[in-house]
Amino acid sequence: DADVTQTPRNRITKTGKRIMLECSQTKGHDRMYWYRQDPGLGLRLIYYSFDVKDINKGEISDGYSVSRQAQAKFSLSLESAIPNQTALYFCATTPTGLNNEQFFGPGTRLTVL
Amino acid sequence: TQLLEQSPQFLSIQEGENLTVYCNSSSVFSSLQWYRQEPGEGPVLLVTVVTGGEVKKLKRLTFQFGDARKDSSLHITAAQPGDTGLYLCAGAFNSGAGSYQLTFGKGTKLSVIP
Repeated sequence: DADVTQTPRNRITKTGKRIMLECSQTKGHDRMYWYRQDPGLGLRLIYYSFDVKDINKGEISDGYSVSRQAQAKFSLSLESAIPNQTALYFCATTPTGLNNEQFFGPGTRLTVL
Repeated sequence: TQLLEQSPQFLSIQEGENLTVYCNSSSVFSSLQWYRQEPGEGPVLLVTVVTGGEVKKLKRLTFQFGDARKDSSLHITAAQPGDTGLYLCAGAFNSGAGSYQLTFGKGTKLSVIP
């Protein structure tokens, strides 16, 4: 079984709809991250969490919110989706440490029409 | 903001050729990581380099961290079609209060033609 799972893997939705992307991990890591990937722009950090009570904004948090329901679960919400949020979304985990080596989920492809 | 410039953006070569991908910044990083991503999957860590001047080898892949810890390179010898994918570099930096984040380069899309 995969260590980091994301659901759904693909989603098509309409402008204005609320969307939730979910991430679960069995690696026992405290730190979890949400990134989006766009062609030519690389991976950009949306939000990150170092433990259940710690939530931090990343580079591009506007239009997104997150919830850390448990050590193993970190969800990303788009309260009112817009077309420029069409992207690949990745969840990642990392053990505590200096190098911040990340373990990524398989990604969610989100299309907002 | 810590920026990482990765080049080239695209690379298409014949099987058996050698290639080098570069990652450059004006910022110092505590470590630098290289990831490989295949279509439909998330990035997978290949290597982490930590010490300035460090060289690590992974079969036909050689990774080097610059002496000043501002740049890195990935060299592939005798490329094979299985090396095809998106290669990403990522630098770790102190974002405050003892925590570290990664900043990613935009990636190099490598195609190795049989």
